[in-house]
Amino acid sequence: AAGVIQSPRHLIKEKRETATLKCYPIPRHDTVYWYQQGPGQDPQFLISFYEKMQSDKGSIPDRFSAQQFSDYHSELNMSSLELGDSALYFCASSLESGNEQFFGPGTRLTVL
Amino acid sequence: GEDVEQSLFLSVREGDSSVINCTYTDSSSTYLYWYKQEPGAGLQLLTYIFSNMDMKQDQRLTVLLNKKDKHLSLRIADTQTGDSAIYFCAERGTGRRALTFGSGTRLQVQP
Repeated sequence: AAGVIQSPRHLIKEKRETATLKCYPIPRHDTVYWYQQGPGQDPQFLISFYEKMQSDKGSIPDRFSAQQFSDYHSELNMSSLELGDSALYFCASSLESGNEQFFGPGTRLTVL
Repeated sequence: GEDVEQSLFLSVREGDSSVINCTYTDSSSTYLYWYKQEPGAGLQLLTYIFSNMDMKQDQRLTVLLNKKDKHLSLRIADTQTGDSAIYFCAERGTGRRALTFGSGTRLQVQP
């Protein structure tokens, strides 16, 4: 079965640079979520979208923005990167009417 | 706000049962989930339970929910070395779709 696809899988950036992470949800899923997992930490919810509209907002810094496109894929844009942004970034998808969230493999961002 | 807590570590012998516990504070939680994370990998959804249920069984996995005490447990029968991973409990509150995760329990299965 098709799963959530994230790209790139690994990304290395310098401080103050920008990064864009991409997420392709499971086919027919209309809702995407972004989570950040720091080293040794639990995943923290950042933001979610349903039908291209922001549906919920968590602890997403103002330096980050995200959007969902007409094909339901989503991008997380991160600017003015800081050392503390180094983490695994997960995208998850679901049906808006469903109860299960399926996670992608994650993008490991390292900020040097 | 929501808070989800788990013990950090559990060690069992292969073939034994494992029981991973979780407590949560949000009384409006509607769904509770168990995810498995292997090193460097994503989060695999194992099972979930609706808050008006007290038990759910799925092959080797049994979830017990005590809503009064806000306590959730995951029992893995006949634990195998491949079950070694971090197990996260997560909850979803009323009107929300975002998940709040616990800190994860590292399960080590000894041969």
